[in-house]
Amino acid sequence: AQSVAQPEDQVNVAEGNPLTVKCTYSVSGNPYLFWYVQYPNRGLQFLLKYITGDNLVKGSYGFEAEFNKSQTSFHLKKPSALVSDSALYFCAVRSQDTSGTYKYIFGTGTRLKVLA
Amino acid sequence: SAVISQKPSRDICQRGTSLTIQCQVDSQVTMMFWYRQQPGQSLTLIATANQGSEATYESGFVIDKFPISRPNLTFSTLTVSNMSPEDSSIYLCSVGPGLRDTEAFFGQGTRLTVV
Repeated sequence: AQSVAQPEDQVNVAEGNPLTVKCTYSVSGNPYLFWYVQYPNRGLQFLLKYITGDNLVKGSYGFEAEFNKSQTSFHLKKPSALVSDSALYFCAVRSQDTSGTYKYIFGTGTRLKVLA
Repeated sequence: SAVISQKPSRDICQRGTSLTIQCQVDSQVTMMFWYRQQPGQSLTLIATANQGSEATYESGFVIDKFPISRPNLTFSTLTVSNMSPEDSSIYLCSVGPGLRDTEAFFGQGTRLTVV
C-alpha cells in the first residue's frame, strides 16, 4: 500500500533561519511527489512537485524540496523563513486506483510556525 | 492551471438539515474530487465525480449521505445530508491530479459547522 508520512505535527523556526518540513513516502514504482500549503480559511495551494530529473526541485515562494530515493524522503526546505510562511503544509503522493483514476494520498500535515 | 470557485465559504447549519456545496471550474475538466478535512486533520477523499456517470465513493462514504452531482464539465455539487455535529469539517473540491504530471487545484473550501 502506498503511504506518506509527515513525522512532525508542528515545526517552529525563527524568522530568517532555514526551515525543513519532513516527508517520507512508501510507493511502488516511481513516485510522483507534491507539496501543498494551506493558509487559514483557504484551500490548498500548490508549491512544487517531483516527477523525474533533478533531485532538487524549486517551487513557489522560495521553497525547494529534495528528493532522496535511498531514504524515500521528499523534505521541503527554505533557506530563510518568513513570518508569512506560517501555515499548514501537506506532502502528497500520486497513486492510481484499480479503475485507473489518479488520486492523492496526503500526509497528516505539518504546521509551520515562524517566530518573529 | 484551473481556477475553482467554491461556495458557500462557510455555513452554520442545524442538525438534521442538508447543505449543498457548489464548485465551478473555469475550464472543462473530466474528473473532480471532493475531500473532507476534519478539524486539525489531513484531507480525506470522499469521492471522485466524472461527468456523465455516478460518482465513485471511497470506503466509509456513501451516496445517501454525500450525494454528488456532475451535470457538466465545469460544475459539481456535494450535498451533506441529514447533518450531525460530526459532519463539522472543511469540505474542498479539486481538479487533478491528472493524467500527466499535472498538479491539483483546489477550491477555497467550505467550513461547515453543525449545531
